[in-house]
Amino acid sequence: QSVLTQPPSASGTPGQRVTLSCSGSRSNIGGNTVSWYQQFPGTAPKLLIYNTNLRPSGVPARFSGSKSGTSASLAISGLQSGDEAHYYCAAWDDSLNVIFGGGTKLTVL
Amino acid sequence: QVQLQESGPGLVKPSETLSLTCTVSGGTISSSSYYWGWIRQPPGKGLEWIGNIYYSGTTFYNTSLKSRVTISVDTSKNQFSLKLRSVVAADTAMYYCVRTPGGLRDSVVLPAAFGWGQGSLVIVSS
Repeated sequence: QSVLTQPPSASGTPGQRVTLSCSGSRSNIGGNTVSWYQQFPGTAPKLLIYNTNLRPSGVPARFSGSKSGTSASLAISGLQSGDEAHYYCAAWDDSLNVIFGGGTKLTVL
Repeated sequence: QVQLQESGPGLVKPSETLSLTCTVSGGTISSSSYYWGWIRQPPGKGLEWIGNIYYSGTTFYNTSLKSRVTISVDTSKNQFSLKLRSVVAADTAMYYCVRTPGGLRDSVVLPAAFGWGQGSLVIVSS
């Protein structure tokens, strides 16, 4: 089963703009939309982005999503200490599955 | 505001059936075009989609689990449930019930779980 590829870790300093990547293939990201989740330790994930670049109500505009070809990105501007969490991408795959990336642990230095 | 709450045994023996229920409060499970589903997360690992059921009864299952999984809705109790048969140790995970509003293509909404329960840890062990 296909899996989306995310770097295991990323870091940034407060106020900085960071970009998290998610790499897939034509059968998933290349032909379908992408979602992004934020997860703090011991809590359920929270949807940040759906349909590649749309934010659910209540998600700050500091979070934005995009994709190009078979890769997608989550950008976080004005990085805050409270953004330190795991981030997961997800997409529909033409194998008729929802697939997730392995997650990126974002550290705010 | 719609809330989700998982319930079920925290320990299941290998080869038996894992059964979890998600109780929906603050809304009626059959009144709107929502997808109801399950996602799991093994300890210290990433997320895995299990499947969804549309309010009309249409189901979508992870193809790697499809032979062992059933998701169903009980409108009289405002609940939906997960059954995973013939469990093994690798099925040990936190199981989350989720909700997604419809209105867009399945391929757009199924990866987008807007609402989550707090999770139910299920350990498979003898």
